[in-house]
Amino acid sequence: AQTVTQSQPEMSVQEAETVTLSCTYDTSENNYYLFWYKQPPSRQMILVIRQEAYKQQNATENRFSVNFQKAAKSFSLKISDSQLGDTAMYFCAFKADFGNEKLTFGTGTRLTIIP
Amino acid sequence: DVKVTQSSRYLVKRTGEKVFLECVQDMDHENMFWYRQDPGLGLRLIYFSYDVKMKEKGDIPEGYSVSREKKERFSLILESASTNQTSMYLCASMGGAKNIQYFGAGTRLSVL
Repeated sequence: AQTVTQSQPEMSVQEAETVTLSCTYDTSENNYYLFWYKQPPSRQMILVIRQEAYKQQNATENRFSVNFQKAAKSFSLKISDSQLGDTAMYFCAFKADFGNEKLTFGTGTRLTIIP
Repeated sequence: DVKVTQSSRYLVKRTGEKVFLECVQDMDHENMFWYRQDPGLGLRLIYFSYDVKMKEKGDIPEGYSVSREKKERFSLILESASTNQTSMYLCASMGGAKNIQYFGAGTRLSVL
């Protein structure tokens, strides 16, 4: 069974600064997908970024990028030039490439951007 | 854009009531999911469905059942609601090669 660990329950950072959210996972699979999802206060959960394990290049989406270290089973999210709208719960999630379609989620990190 | 619609944002029920949570997606996705979200526990999978009338238990299926009679609709049923089922319930759907799950806005259920 896979596990996903987010060791930072809460973080806060000043607007315009850079912040990194940590995620580690445990799996015996070789092919899998990793995701960061964002859940703003009282709003819908949306995908931030997606990484395929067989791709060595780290995924980026505008101000969001990941540091994917497959050997260390680490998948951190970096948010550059943070904005007030980045305030949200962030969940790291894992999905094996084969087998059932379920996602395994971490417990989340509550990020607050301070004006 | 994928749309996943949950029928209620907030619901208040009494202990012992039968509760239906409805979810509809408009992208013809094969896979649909029900999660429960609790503070400090993240999202935990209750049930999922990979096709019409097909279902599989997730990590915490006890006290819940599901129904998928049509591809676009996936219902979560609490046969006899209990106070420990007070929670946020999230529905998601997934299809295509990118393995991305799309979420509804959630239903916050209070069982009194």
